[in-house]
Amino acid sequence: GQQVMQIPQYQHVQEGEDFTTYCNSSTTLSNIQWYKQRPGGHPVFLIQLVKSGEVKKQKRLTFQFGEAKKNSSLHITATQTTDVGTYFCAGNNAGNMLTFGGGTRLMVKP
Amino acid sequence: EPEVTQTPSHQVTQMGQEVILRCVPISNHLYFYWYRQILGQKVEFLVSFYNNEISEKSEIFDDQFSVERPDGSNFTLKIRSTKLEDSAMYFCASSFTGGWANYGYTFGSGTRLTVV
Repeated sequence: GQQVMQIPQYQHVQEGEDFTTYCNSSTTLSNIQWYKQRPGGHPVFLIQLVKSGEVKKQKRLTFQFGEAKKNSSLHITATQTTDVGTYFCAGNNAGNMLTFGGGTRLMVKP
Repeated sequence: EPEVTQTPSHQVTQMGQEVILRCVPISNHLYFYWYRQILGQKVEFLVSFYNNEISEKSEIFDDQFSVERPDGSNFTLKIRSTKLEDSAMYFCASSFTGGWANYGYTFGSGTRLTVV
């Protein structure tokens, strides 16, 4: 079945440093979604990418979808303590099922 | 902002007992889902539900599990004869559209199920 892998599993950064998490799917995706889960919270939808090579920005967050629609990345510029949480990518391949990656837990030192 | 509501927030049950987890999806959403997350691990798909029937289910969703939409608002997950390994956070989610046109799920706050 479809597998979605994310690296790194954990990332500690100093406040103000940049952060990137990478997502790879074993199969070509129809779209990829990104979610943020705060400690003790539930996944909250951030964005969806659909087109090959698509790049979207939300303030300090930049999301990319690979040309082959099998990989994606999330980059945060100048991290803040409010960015703390686990970032999940989730792939969809035309059905109704989202397959989540293992997540990258971001910790930010003030 | 519309929310997906889940009850209870925490359920403790004896091994072998049946539990029902309840969810009220966003009112104009048409697709409903159950996911689970074992502590510290990834979010795993269980089942999707559309037009009063299961549209997809994972290998985890075996005969022990069932879903129902008993009325126009509630969406339930029943786990028969619970096992210790069923202990997890169970998330309900809903979306207006499905498949490739899915514009993101709205997740509820989850029910933490502890089987003892």
